[in-house]
Amino acid sequence: EVQLLESAGGLVQPGGSLRLSCVASGFTFSHYDMSWVRQAPGKGLEWVSAISDDATRTYYTGSVKGRFTISRDSSNNTLFLQMNSLRADDSAIYFCARHTDYFHYMDVWGTGTTVTVSS
Amino acid sequence: EIVMTQSPDTLSVSPGERATLSCRASQSVTSNLAWYQQKPGQAPRLLIYDASTRATGCPARFSGSGSGAEFTLTINSLQSEDFAVYYCQQYDKWPLRFGQGTKVEIK
Repeated sequence: EVQLLESAGGLVQPGGSLRLSCVASGFTFSHYDMSWVRQAPGKGLEWVSAISDDATRTYYTGSVKGRFTISRDSSNNTLFLQMNSLRADDSAIYFCARHTDYFHYMDVWGTGTTVTVSS
Repeated sequence: EIVMTQSPDTLSVSPGERATLSCRASQSVTSNLAWYQQKPGQAPRLLIYDASTRATGCPARFSGSGSGAEFTLTINSLQSEDFAVYYCQQYDKWPLRFGQGTKVEIK
């Protein structure tokens, strides 16, 4: 079964850091571009960051540039999102998702993990 | 940046009726548009890609149309499991962007 499973998120203070991970199974992880998408409480979907299958290209939405870093370990089928200088408006459910072709639509999604930034 | 605008924000429909959802891009995205369904407490689910191609497992009552900057998702004969929030997403240019969503609720 094709599956993506995010690690537990958590509660972090403003200005703090957190690293999310997403373990893939049921498909050849190294063949796929991947993204992180978030959803603030009661709000819509927001694409956050993407990484190419070979990790040579990364992309970020403007509000997280310089604070978040996406990476991957294809030997362990794992996607990461390092989040630094966290702010209250980073509080959200974070989903990892698999792209088809070249960063096209996202056909497989994880169940999501909750990040809360609060003092 | 491309801005995606969906309308209406909420659509009240009776079971068995048709729902028509719209998505407009601030510039052309050719046919690089997807539709997702999201139910409360769940991850989004891909329904339509390349503007009009149904994803694996998507029922035939869902259809997508449009190209350029104007797109439509039509749900024929709404079933109880179709009441959810629907998002469009463009993948033509960076940054990837979703519309704000349309909630389809029971009338």
